[in-house]
Amino acid sequence: QVQLQQWGAGLLKPSETLSLTCAIYGGSFSDYYWTWIRQPPGKGLEWIGEINHSGSTNYSPSLKSRVTISIDTSKNQFSLILSSVTAADAAVYYCARGDWGPIGYWGQGTLVTVSS
Amino acid sequence: EIVLTQSPGTLSLSPGERATLSCRASQSISSNFLAWYQQKPGQAPRLLIYGTSSRATGIPDRFSGSGSGTDFTLTISRLEPEDFAVYYCQQYGSSPWTFGQGTKVEIK
Repeated sequence: QVQLQQWGAGLLKPSETLSLTCAIYGGSFSDYYWTWIRQPPGKGLEWIGEINHSGSTNYSPSLKSRVTISIDTSKNQFSLILSSVTAADAAVYYCARGDWGPIGYWGQGTLVTVSS
Repeated sequence: EIVLTQSPGTLSLSPGERATLSCRASQSISSNFLAWYQQKPGQAPRLLIYGTSSRATGIPDRFSGSGSGTDFTLTISRLEPEDFAVYYCQQYGSSPWTFGQGTKVEIK
């Protein structure tokens, strides 16, 4: 059974850097794209970007200048870095497994609040 | 970037009724790479449909998807109490992948 478990700081000040990590348990690590998606409170879903086991990345153009997704194959983990956060970045952040497009497995979500 | 517009915003129906949700794309979606998700409060979304019409593992057959090009539909043939939720469409034919804004199916 595939499980994704994520963690990271949930309260940030404006201009700080968001950092989240997701560990993958079960299933193949190398056959998929590992993805980050966010959801502002009461709003819809936004795809942030993805990475494969080789480190090849694909980012949303609207966030590309501030986003880095990395992978640690030795630990079956991948991470999200989002720099210079503002109130507009407040959201629940999900890590997920992209099954060549559709998202079949999701982490539990991390609520990130941005407040001075 | 492909913009997905879902309608209606809210659908008020009774258990046992049929639900028809629409997702319209700003341009044709390559290979009909469209998925549907269900999300309940406080939970991550759950994949229902991929490739326009293929049900994900464990999804009951009362859920069906159809469409092509720019117009897609999710149909729930007979609403069960657990089906009242928010539904999102997603396209993965053209990067960046994008989602619709959601349709809430609520109990009438």
